[in-house]
Amino acid sequence: DAKTTQPTSMDCAEGRAANLPCNHSTISGNEYVYWYRQIHSQGPQYIIHGLKNNETNEMASLIITEDRKSSTLILPHATLRDTAVYYCIVRVEMNSGYSTLTFGKGTMLLVSP
Amino acid sequence: DAGVTQSPTHLIKTRGQHVTLRCSPISGHKSVSWYQQVLGQGPQFIFQYYEKEERGRGNFPDRFSARQFPNYSSELNVNALLLGDSALYLCASSPTGGLNYGYTFGSGTRLTVV
Repeated sequence: DAKTTQPTSMDCAEGRAANLPCNHSTISGNEYVYWYRQIHSQGPQYIIHGLKNNETNEMASLIITEDRKSSTLILPHATLRDTAVYYCIVRVEMNSGYSTLTFGKGTMLLVSP
Repeated sequence: DAGVTQSPTHLIKTRGQHVTLRCSPISGHKSVSWYQQVLGQGPQFIFQYYEKEERGRGNFPDRFSARQFPNYSSELNVNALLLGDSALYLCASSPTGGLNYGYTFGSGTRLTVV
């Protein structure tokens, strides 16, 4: 499994951009980077995923470096409701052809007024 | 549309007992995965089922078992409960089991073993 490294915690002021880094130096060429978040006492929520190119959706942007060894999740205008644990995950392909998610401890993002 | 539904939401069991947790995936989703989340840790993969067949299993003892029914709902069974089995058990559904569509998680079942 390609391992990911994330800071334990980060702070962000409401209305500012939150930039969450992730290192995945052992990622393979065909492995995707996925981001999920988990708000307290809820199940994880899918945010975004990408392979090589930068991606953007209504929730966030994903910036992947050219060597694919790291990525950054960007929440452009953080709100208090974005306070959550954010997980950076590299897709693991099982022998059966199906995939699972290997979660680390994630980054606890605290958005303050 | 209803999301992923898990029942019960909370459960207290005694060591040595067994427990059955239930999951109903999103309508049209044929794959269900189970995860265990111990307090302070990220979720850990237990099982994945697709079209009623086990497609993958994580590093969990044989006390853990699961099955998927013709309507694609699923049960997770844990026998001979230990204190360390206390956790949030999460069910995730996806259309096919691959990750290209992302997974949708339920809110989980909080199991406490005393």
